[in-house]
Amino acid sequence: GQNIDQPTEMTATEGAIVQINCTYQTSGFNGLFWYQQHAGEAPTFLSYNVLDGLEEKGRFSSFLSRSKGYSYLLLKELQMKDSASYLCAVREDDKIIFGKGTRLHILP
Amino acid sequence: ETGVTQTPRHLVMGMTNKKSLKCEQHLGHNAMYWYKQSAKKPLELMFVYNFKEQTENNSVPSRFSPECPNSSHLFLHLHTLQPEDSALYLCASSQDPGLAGETDTQYFGPGTRLTVL
Repeated sequence: GQNIDQPTEMTATEGAIVQINCTYQTSGFNGLFWYQQHAGEAPTFLSYNVLDGLEEKGRFSSFLSRSKGYSYLLLKELQMKDSASYLCAVREDDKIIFGKGTRLHILP
Repeated sequence: ETGVTQTPRHLVMGMTNKKSLKCEQHLGHNAMYWYKQSAKKPLELMFVYNFKEQTENNSVPSRFSPECPNSSHLFLHLHTLQPEDSALYLCASSQDPGLAGETDTQYFGPGTRLTVL
């Protein structure tokens, strides 16, 4: 079976840094994705991790620890447009399983 | 623009109606997916097609019937739906199905917001 946990909601301030955590329990881990979804829109791909460590893409970074079943998405220099839901998705064997998403609110 | 289009964007239907959702991908991908997204629930995978062949049916009720005439088009035929089927239906595509790696990244369409009365 599979279980993916991430906080339901988070709030941060414009210009600050926020870390969104994701923990997972799967039987056949084969990679982890982060997606961003603005309200009423489709999810868009942010990052992919399959090896332990940090992947950096501009203001966004994603970290993976396979031994701990743990990942986080780090957002720096927050902007109002970063207000969205962030979905953690784990590839288990040949399936991709999504978490419920974390709704991030950015305050001015 | 993600390269995956869906029509209609909004649909309201009665429980006795028959309607179809359409998805088209312009990315040259080999796999296409249907997801259901309900409020406060994770994305639920419904169907997967690899090279036009259905490889996944996640215990979806028979009132949902997918069709994949070619690797660029995917349909979801709807009939005798229930009010609890009201949700956002998302189509996605990926380049290399079943192949681990970033090429398995799924690109989503804008979705169809379905309301069943």
